[in-house]
Amino acid sequence: DAGVIQSPRHEVTEMGQEVTLRCKPISGHDYLFWYRQTMMRGLELLIYFNNNVPIDDSGMPEDRFSAKMPNASFSTLKIQPSEPRDSAVYFCASMTGTRRSPLHFGNGTRLTVT
Amino acid sequence: GEDVEQSLFLSVREGDSSVINCTYTDSSSTYLYWYKQEPGAGLQLLTYIFSNMDMKQDQRLTVLLNKKDKHLSLRIADTQTGDSAIYFCAEASYNTDKLIFGTGTRLQVFP
Repeated sequence: DAGVIQSPRHEVTEMGQEVTLRCKPISGHDYLFWYRQTMMRGLELLIYFNNNVPIDDSGMPEDRFSAKMPNASFSTLKIQPSEPRDSAVYFCASMTGTRRSPLHFGNGTRLTVT
Repeated sequence: GEDVEQSLFLSVREGDSSVINCTYTDSSSTYLYWYKQEPGAGLQLLTYIFSNMDMKQDQRLTVLLNKKDKHLSLRIADTQTGDSAIYFCAEASYNTDKLIFGTGTRLQVFP
């Protein structure tokens, strides 16, 4: 298995532009998580899905952020409009439904908003 | 809400043991985890412990859990330069599927 695949690996954009981050979870995993990592705030959970349904989006910073999971093999995280303070590494992770199963992380998308 | 705390940095000499500490606040935690993050990569699960256990050993790794004090530690024996990374503690409550991660401890191993 190729693992969790995120694209792009790096994204540089100007303030005010729309940014879309993509994730393909591991096949058969029914949970998908979006995290954001910064030096100041560490690793923050933004939102997670179970069987393509959003379960908890309380970590989404504001209405500029939205996430979708149209099917079991694809999810997007969109920021519109982007701001410099959104600069971070965004991770997608997936796992099966048992608690002892590990959370598999992608390699992340490094977003820089200028 | 749930909170997980770790010290930010640890520096050890190659061959020595490393001990990374973590405290958490959620008394309903069922599983506690240690993840490792190498530069430019996502987090990888190292080991986990169920809340009814006190200790778990896996080769060079020893996890100790003090549930009364809500304290978790990871000991790495014979630390190698390849162990240099950021180590995250995480906890999962019985009533939620999400993991809450600590701030991460950056381990630096010098020769």
